[in-house]
Amino acid sequence: EVQLVQSGGGLVQPGGSLRLSCAASGFTLSSYWIYWVRQAPGKGLVWVSRINGDGSVISHADSVKGRFSISRDSAKNTVYLQMNSLRAEDTAMYYCARDWTYLAFDIWGRGTMVTVSS
Amino acid sequence: QSVLTQPPSASGTPGQKVTISCSGSSSNIGTNYVNWYQQLPGTAPKLLIYTNNQRPSGVPDRYSGSKSGASASLAISGLRSEDEADYYCATWDGSLNVLLFGGGTKLTVL
Repeated sequence: EVQLVQSGGGLVQPGGSLRLSCAASGFTLSSYWIYWVRQAPGKGLVWVSRINGDGSVISHADSVKGRFSISRDSAKNTVYLQMNSLRAEDTAMYYCARDWTYLAFDIWGRGTMVTVSS
Repeated sequence: QSVLTQPPSASGTPGQKVTISCSGSSSNIGTNYVNWYQQLPGTAPKLLIYTNNQRPSGVPDRYSGSKSGASASLAISGLRSEDEADYYCATWDGSLNVLLFGGGTKLTVL
C-alpha cells in the first residue's frame, strides 16, 4: 500500500527540539517533492517546509526559517523535519504530504501532534 | 487573514448544489493551478480536485472545480451528509514563493 507513515512529535518545553519522521511505504520517496503542512488546533492548513527528490532544493515558511530544517535519507526512504527553538505558536498537528503533480498532494501522512508548553 | 480568501462557512440541504469560492491575485491563482482538499473531522486532508478541474481516481463526479482569472470555485452537487467537512483551496504564490492555503470553508449539510 502506498502511504506515508509519520512518527515523532509529543510534548516539549518552549525552546526545546523535536524531530519528526515521514517514512514512505510502497513508493520511492526520491521521486517526489515532500511537503510538511501544519494545522494549529481549530485552525486551517499552513505550509511549513518542502524538499525535492534528491534533497538539493529546500525551502521553508518565514515563520520557521532559521529554526526548522528538512532533510531526507534515501536509504531509509524517509524525510525528516528537525524543529529547534520551539515556540508555543508551533503547537499543531504536523502532516507530511507527497506532491504528485503541480502541488497536488495525493498522499498524506496521518499527522503527528506537537505541543509546545511548559 | 489568508492571502487566499474563502467563505468561512457554507451550507445546503441534501440533494442541493453548493459552491465554495477561493479568491486570490495575479501572483497566485491568476498564474498557477489550484487544488482543492477535503478534510473530515479528525482526519488528514484528502485531494479532491487538482489542476483546477481534474478529479483524482475515486472522487465522485459530484465534485467539480473551475478557475477564472484570480478566482477558483469548488462545486458539490447532489449534496450528501457525508460531504460535511472542511474544504481548502491551495496554490503556489510566485511573488511570495510560498505554498498558500485558503482559510478553509466549513460545509454543513442541514
